[in-house]
Amino acid sequence: DTGVSQNPRHKITKRGQNVTFRCDPISEHNRLYWYRQTLGQGPEFLTYFQNEAQLEKSRLLSDRFSAERPKGSFSTLEIQRTEQGDSAMYLCASSDSWRGANTDTQYFGPGTRLTVL
Amino acid sequence: GDSVTQMEGPVTLSEEAFLTINCTYTATGYPSLFWYVQYPGEGLQLLLKATKADDKGSNKGFEATYRKETTSFHLEKGSVQVSDSAVYFCALSGSTDKLIFGTGTRLQVFP
Repeated sequence: DTGVSQNPRHKITKRGQNVTFRCDPISEHNRLYWYRQTLGQGPEFLTYFQNEAQLEKSRLLSDRFSAERPKGSFSTLEIQRTEQGDSAMYLCASSDSWRGANTDTQYFGPGTRLTVL
Repeated sequence: GDSVTQMEGPVTLSEEAFLTINCTYTATGYPSLFWYVQYPGEGLQLLLKATKADDKGSNKGFEATYRKETTSFHLEKGSVQVSDSAVYFCALSGSTDKLIFGTGTRLQVFP
């Protein structure tokens, strides 16, 4: 069990550019979550997948954001036409949840820190 | 909607002092409650959890009891160490399984 991994760990981009982040969950975990954390705040939910199906999206996820999990394993989060307000830590988590139980533990990756200049 | 409120920090303590970090929640139904910890330069780690009323979660000397009557899940430790310095997040998971976090409380322990 190697844990949740995220790449890149840091990304600096100019306003208006597109960026893509990758998350590799713990092997065999069927649920994968994306959160965003800004300085001094707790993580905020963005979206999550059950296998390859995207089951919920937050209103925080504007149409510039898109997430995929094409084969039910790794996931990508793309931000198009980045804005300075997108600067944050993007966190990925995974869990082994077959019955939708809210008791399941989510395991977090180290995050990708995005800075938009 | 569901929400979590936790005490603002920083909390500054001397080594071996008693720690309490308050956390209260608002939720419909029967949420599960969690404490996550974020050490400097590291990702979020689960510290402990409780999944039903009156359950006590414990780990590494930390404890928290799920109190439905007061909608609280306060984190306690009898004797803190310098190595406990970190940011602590209270969170709940409700009917939709996503985690809802508080704003975090920074703990600083001095020798």
